[in-house]
Amino acid sequence: SQQGEEDPQALSIQEGENATMNCSYKTSINNLQWYRQNSGRGLVHLILIRSNEREKHSGRLRVTLDTSKKSSSLLITASRAADTASYFCATDLQGAQKLVFGQGTRLTINP
Amino acid sequence: GAGVSQTPSNKVTEKGKYVELRCDPISGHTALYWYRQSLGQGPEFLIYFQGTGAADDSGLPNDRFFAVRPEGSVSTLKIQRTERGDSAVYLCASSLNTGLSPLHFGNGTRLTVT
Repeated sequence: SQQGEEDPQALSIQEGENATMNCSYKTSINNLQWYRQNSGRGLVHLILIRSNEREKHSGRLRVTLDTSKKSSSLLITASRAADTASYFCATDLQGAQKLVFGQGTRLTINP
Repeated sequence: GAGVSQTPSNKVTEKGKYVELRCDPISGHTALYWYRQSLGQGPEFLIYFQGTGAADDSGLPNDRFFAVRPEGSVSTLKIQRTERGDSAVYLCASSLNTGLSPLHFGNGTRLTVT
C-alpha cells in the first residue's frame, strides 16, 4: 500500500521557473526522503529530512517538513530542462525498516 | 565506484514460466530491498534483507514470489508460475544500513509476461 501522496500528479513549467511538489503521508515517520527518476532508470536519492527538522537545502533544492500536517514540499528553483523527471517522496515508517513511496509527480521543464 | 547492478535488464517470459531476477548491491551495503513499479506508479515495497535474512517480506504479493540472499550480498528474486499481472519493472536497492540511510537503486529489470 502507498503511504504518501504527491500533488500535483503532473506539472509542466517553463525553464527558469520554480517548481513546487507536495507530499502528504498518513502515519508518524522517522524521516522523509525525496527521490528523482528519469524515464527508464532507477531512482536517485535527492535529499533526506529528519522528523525533527523543518527545512533543508541542497543546491537548488529546498525541502520543508510539517509533521503536524503530515506533509512535505520539494522546491526546485531556477528549473532546467534536465530537471525533467518524476519525483517521489518516501517515508521511513516508525517501527518499520522500509521506505514507502508515493505515486510521484511527473515534472516537465519546457525549454 | 560500481552502483547497484540488476540483470537481466529486460525479461520476456510466457505465462506459467519461472523467472529469476538478480541484484548485485553496492559492496558493503548490508540492507537490500526489492520493489516493484508499474507504469505511472511509485515503487511498491516487496521485501527487505538485513544481511542474509529477510527482515520484512510483508510486501510479497503471494507465495509465488520468493527472494534469497544466501551470502549477504547478491540477491535473487524468484517468481513461479508467472502471470500477466506480474509484468512490471522490478527494482533493487541497497543501503549501508536501515532507517536513515538513503537507498541506492539499480536500473531495474523490466519483466513482461505474455
